[in-house]
Amino acid sequence: QVTLKESGPVLVKPTETLTLTCTVSGFSLSNARMGVSWIRQPPGKALEWLAHIFSNDEKSYSTSLKSRLTISKDTSKSQVVLTMTDMDPVDTATYYCTRVPDTTSWTFDYWGQGTLVTVSS
Amino acid sequence: DIQMTQSPSSLSASVGDRVTITCRASRSIRSYLNWYQQKPGKAPKLLIYAASSLQSGVPSRFTGSGSGTDFTLTISSLQPEDFATYYCQQSYSTPSTFGQGTRLEIK
Repeated sequence: QVTLKESGPVLVKPTETLTLTCTVSGFSLSNARMGVSWIRQPPGKALEWLAHIFSNDEKSYSTSLKSRLTISKDTSKSQVVLTMTDMDPVDTATYYCTRVPDTTSWTFDYWGQGTLVTVSS
Repeated sequence: DIQMTQSPSSLSASVGDRVTITCRASRSIRSYLNWYQQKPGKAPKLLIYAASSLQSGVPSRFTGSGSGTDFTLTISSLQPEDFATYYCQQSYSTPSTFGQGTRLEIK
């Protein structure tokens, strides 16, 4: 059974760095062509793809947020970590981690439950 | 980046109705188009991938069609559990992008 679960702070202050962890089970982060993406959704708004890490440890980032994002993984712990620097109230959103079973086609087949992060002083 | 535009933004319908949601890409994405359903407070759920392939476990009343730049999601006979927000997503290239969503409400 494939599961993903996000964890991290529920509240961060402006200018702080956000660190989120996605713990996966039911598949391996070393499986060829499989990877994990982070996607966020501000309250009442649409979905926005943020970053992806491939099985070979290559990374891909949102064009507009690239300078603020870092994605990494620890295969032995089955965890993917996303950091976002210089947080702002507009970054308030539910952050999801998702599985991409085959990056020849960017399809998000399993999602975590999401974690709501509020940016406020 | 490829822009995805959905229409309508919201839609009111009754149980048993047939509804269609459209999605347009700013350039050709061949058949690299997915549809997701999201209910309040829940994560999106993959319904259709590669424009017309039904994800395992999804009822057959959901169908997808299209290629190139124009796509549709059709629900043949609305059930109470289908009232939700639907998103299209292009899976052709990075950055992957989503439509703004179509909220399907009970009339």
